Amino acid sequence: DTAVSQTPKYLVTQMGNDKSIKCEQNLGHDTMYWYKQDSKKFLKIMFSYNNKELIINETVPNRFSPKSPDKAHLNLHINSLELGDSAVYFCASSRTGDRRNYGYTFGSGTRLTVV
Amino acid sequence: GDSVTQMEGPVTLSEEAFLTINCTYTATGYPSLFWYVQYPGEGLQLLLKATKADDKGSNKGFEATYRKETTSFHLEKGSVQVSDSAVYFCALSDLIEGAQKLVFGQGTRLTINP
Repeated sequence: DTAVSQTPKYLVTQMGNDKSIKCEQNLGHDTMYWYKQDSKKFLKIMFSYNNKELIINETVPNRFSPKSPDKAHLNLHINSLELGDSAVYFCASSRTGDRRNYGYTFGSGTRLTVV
Repeated sequence: GDSVTQMEGPVTLSEEAFLTINCTYTATGYPSLFWYVQYPGEGLQLLLKATKADDKGSNKGFEATYRKETTSFHLEKGSVQVSDSAVYFCALSDLIEGAQKLVFGQGTRLTINP
C-alpha cells in the first residue's frame, strides 16, 4: 500500500525518558513534516525536511530533534520527556510543486502519553 | 501572518440535516485551501481542495467554494449521515517566510445523530 506510515501508534513513557517516533513514506514525495496535535485537536507544524534538508523549524524545544536519513524517512527523537509533550504527533509528506494542488498526505499518528 | 479561523464546535445535527461549517482565512499570498477530515482514532484525510478564487472543491457530497472577496471557504453538505461524524479541519497552503506551509484552523467536531 502506498502511504505514510508511523511507528509506534501508541507510546506511553515516564517523564525524563528519551523516545523516538519513526516515519516512512513510499509515495515518492521529497518533503516530509512533523505536526503536533494537542488535546484540543489544534494542529501545528514542528519541522519540515526537503530532500533531507531542514527547511522549517518552528519554535520547538531543543529536546526535539528530527533526523532524515533519506527523503523517504523522517524520524523524531525526543529527549527528557515532559508531561506537556503528551500529544498526537503526525508525520506528513508532499511533493514540491504539488502542494498547492494536492496538499499533504498524513500518517495515522502516534499518541504519546508521558506519565 | 497567515491564519485560518473555523466556527466553534461542537456541532450536533440529526441525520439528513443540512451542514455548514464556516471557515475564513488571512493570507499574504495566494493560498490553496483545503478541508481535511479526521475520523475517531485516525489520521487526517484530504476531503476536498481549491487552488484559486471561485474554484469549487467537492467530494463525498461535501462542497466548498474559494471566495477571495470574503476570504472564506465554507464547507457544506446537503444531507449528512451518521458516518460523517468526525473532526473537520480547514487549512491553507501558502509560501510563508520562504517555505511552503500548511496552516490549520482549530477544527470543528461534528456529531450526527440517527
